[in-house]
Amino acid sequence: QTVVTQEPSFSVSPGGTVTLTCGLSSGSVSTSYYPSWYQQTPGQAPRTLIYSTNTRSSGVPDRFSGSILGNKAALTITGAQADDECDYYCVLYMGSGISVFGGGTKLTVL
Amino acid sequence: QVQLVESGGGVVQPGRSLRLSCAASGFTFSSYGIHWVRQAPGKGLEWVAFISYDGTNKYYADSVKGRFTISRDNSKNTLSLQMNSLRAEDTAVYYCAKRDYYGAAPLDWGQGTLVTVSS
Repeated sequence: QTVVTQEPSFSVSPGGTVTLTCGLSSGSVSTSYYPSWYQQTPGQAPRTLIYSTNTRSSGVPDRFSGSILGNKAALTITGAQADDECDYYCVLYMGSGISVFGGGTKLTVL
Repeated sequence: QVQLVESGGGVVQPGRSLRLSCAASGFTFSSYGIHWVRQAPGKGLEWVAFISYDGTNKYYADSVKGRFTISRDNSKNTLSLQMNSLRAEDTAVYYCAKRDYYGAAPLDWGQGTLVTVSS
């Protein structure tokens, strides 16, 4: 069974840039997986940041961007702010109607 | 604006059944596929099921296949998740989410409903 991998945790300094990745336990991520990214604060529903690799959801600031880097999908946050400190999830479409979420990355801004 | 409101959560004993609903508004419901995604307490997001815009195609995670059934009523703009043979590990907040029209991912999310499976 294919596992979607994310860094369990990451740290960034205020104002800094961080790139979170979303990979596969076997194989490479491409646009055909429609990689998408979500931000979630405790007790809240997920908020869609990026879908279909690099399309920003409505209202999402351009500090957030999505791409394919090497064999993984990537979420880059520039000018990190204190309220960016939360959990980030990616999801990949595996085909045949099946989607799989990564385990999430806990981002710390300090 | 898009609105998705889940209901039907609660406390249920292991082995029993529960039916969740998701009421949709603010978009043409019959044109969009819808996902169910869940999140166990303190855990990450888990994709559960998907139904196509017209209800003809349904897909499930292995963890719920054979126990859960997704359905929709486009005349009432509602989505359902019938959950049978519930287990403790099904305890989670369940979200319905509208799919991206041209892609595949969940795009717009409801606020979720909590299901607790406990004796």
